[in-house]
Amino acid sequence: GDSVTQMEGPVTLSEEAFLTINCTYTATGYPSLFWYVQYPGEGLQLLLKATKADDKGSNKGFEATYRKETTSFHLEKGSVQVSDSAVYFCALSGEGFKTIFGAGTRLFVKA
Amino acid sequence: NAGVTQTPKFQVLKTGQSMTLQCAQDMNHEYMSWYRQDPGMGLRLIHYSVGAGITDQGEVPNGYNVSRSTTEDFPLRLLSAAPSQTSVYFCASFRRGTEAFFGQGTRLTVV
Repeated sequence: GDSVTQMEGPVTLSEEAFLTINCTYTATGYPSLFWYVQYPGEGLQLLLKATKADDKGSNKGFEATYRKETTSFHLEKGSVQVSDSAVYFCALSGEGFKTIFGAGTRLFVKA
Repeated sequence: NAGVTQTPKFQVLKTGQSMTLQCAQDMNHEYMSWYRQDPGMGLRLIHYSVGAGITDQGEVPNGYNVSRSTTEDFPLRLLSAAPSQTSVYFCASFRRGTEAFFGQGTRLTVV
């Protein structure tokens, strides 16, 4: 069945460092791919999405490109801030009726 | 626009008690899901629904029941609470292939 694998955390960075969180997926057909962010004590909210191969999703300085050849959707940000500290989830929505999530990666950004 | 509303936000139950977690959405989404979030486990799908009157099991359905009598509501019932059901529960709704909208979560402790 469909699955999502993302890098384990926690990831600890200093402010203004470059961020990469790896995400790979297994799915039949052509799923839509998402990154969600969860701030402490809150529910998940959409960060960005891509619906077809080579699409780039972007929001709040974060970017991810849908790479069908490598079945990947890595999240990147050029310069992280303390306010980016959160848990990040990669997810896919495929031909079935479910949204499948990765295990989440916790990011800590130090001032 | 309320989005997805979950109640209660916090709950403490004794082992063996039953309760219902409420979830309502006002976006006319056909798909609704319940997840539980445990440390290091990401989000695991409990039950989901693809429309009024239609529900199905996810990864971890044991000990939980759902029903979907209307498009708007998707309650989750714990039949006989166990300490293993201590978790944070999230309800989500979405249209097929698009991003999920999450409630704020219910933090449940079973003692």
